[in-house]
Amino acid sequence: QKEVEQDPGPLSVPEGAIVSLNCTYSNSAFQYFMWYRQYSRKGPELLMYTYSSGNKEDGRFTAQVDKSSKYISLFIRDSQPSDSATYLCASPGGVSGGYNKLIFGAGTRLAVHP
Amino acid sequence: EPEVTQTPSHQVTQMGQEVILRCVPISNHLYFYWYRQILGQKVEFLVSFYNNEISEKSEIFDDQFSVERPDGSNFTLKIRSTKLEDSAMYFCASSGVGANYGYTFGSGTRLTVV
Repeated sequence: QKEVEQDPGPLSVPEGAIVSLNCTYSNSAFQYFMWYRQYSRKGPELLMYTYSSGNKEDGRFTAQVDKSSKYISLFIRDSQPSDSATYLCASPGGVSGGYNKLIFGAGTRLAVHP
Repeated sequence: EPEVTQTPSHQVTQMGQEVILRCVPISNHLYFYWYRQILGQKVEFLVSFYNNEISEKSEIFDDQFSVERPDGSNFTLKIRSTKLEDSAMYFCASSGVGANYGYTFGSGTRLTVV
């Protein structure tokens, strides 16, 4: 059973659209969740991390966690062509994080066209 | 902004040869990691390192792999006898301690085994 699942896409949207990216996880012990953005042949870049259920907003990005359904979402408002990348959800799994390995989803490839 | 630096960016090696991938983590981070990403696949955990010893390793990290922190700044991954299937992007990452940690990844080394 995969611990973090993510639809690989690709997802193609017009500039200015609201984008919704989603992941599910299987282990109820997971408490921290992260969203990374990865441009082609580059390393993952941390966008946001969340701990509890609910929403966290940072500029055009909103991360949402629903622990009751084990569902993680990332919303991008007013999407730009520069947002075109692969978006990875990840969790360090257990309670403490910090030193735990990250478990990644497969990544969703997003293309924002002008 | 502090960053994780990896060298070289691209390494081509012959099957059976030894390679050393180098990383300079963020200076005040205490946990260090290697991940790899085979083309088109998800980012996979290899090994974590803390307090000068391996804290966790995956099934991928067999006897052909080793890690070392030879001085206060560098963190290396050695593959003793490379195989074709070792061709991948290798990412170094580091993280701090506490609830506001973030895992920071380097830009990666693309290893091509021929």
